[in-house]
Amino acid sequence: AQRVTQPEKLLSVFKGAPVELKCNYSYSGSPELFWYVQYSRQRLQLLLRHISRESIKGFTADLNKGETSFHLKKPFAQEEDSAMYYCALPVYNFNKFYFGSGTKLNVKP
Amino acid sequence: GAVVSQHPSRVICKSGTSVKIECRSLDFQATTMFWYRQFPKQSLMLMATSNEGSKATYEQGVEKDKFLINHASLTLSTLTVTSAHPEDSSFYICSASSLPAEAFFGQGTRLTVV
Repeated sequence: AQRVTQPEKLLSVFKGAPVELKCNYSYSGSPELFWYVQYSRQRLQLLLRHISRESIKGFTADLNKGETSFHLKKPFAQEEDSAMYYCALPVYNFNKFYFGSGTKLNVKP
Repeated sequence: GAVVSQHPSRVICKSGTSVKIECRSLDFQATTMFWYRQFPKQSLMLMATSNEGSKATYEQGVEKDKFLINHASLTLSTLTVTSAHPEDSSFYICSASSLPAEAFFGQGTRLTVV
């Protein structure tokens, strides 16, 4: 069965420090993974997707099929990065998602 | 990007009553919309797939008689929580898409059953 795991509920770092938010998945096919972000009092929005291999707001994520991981990384965290981050696995024509439990990133000044 | 709007953003209802939540795609047509539920400090749980012109598809463990979904047009899906109880209190979020791999989420509806 498809499943997404985010082992950390909370991650606190200082501004300028590197950040890595972990995501592991379980999926029988070839996965296409996404990261969504939810800033305080805002709706869920797409941060980046594996298929496009882009870097958004300095964040990158590499799909590692051997480790079944899709960790989100940023070399230098900013205070405005503080938010909830969800790793997501799309199914059904890539519109329906199974979400991880989320990691709250807190970037301290 | 495309905009998905939910209404109301907050609703309080008495136990035993029903409440309807609307999800609209404002600038695109969506043959499929999705409803999620989010408990406090927890992740989004997919509840059901709303299909325009046909029955909704529910995820395992979701009571279809409790959570009625209607997708009457290409821009509107509604979720009705019937005979609501306090345990139904939650944050309900819908999503819609006009293209594959491009889901847009509503702002969510916070339901409180008292």
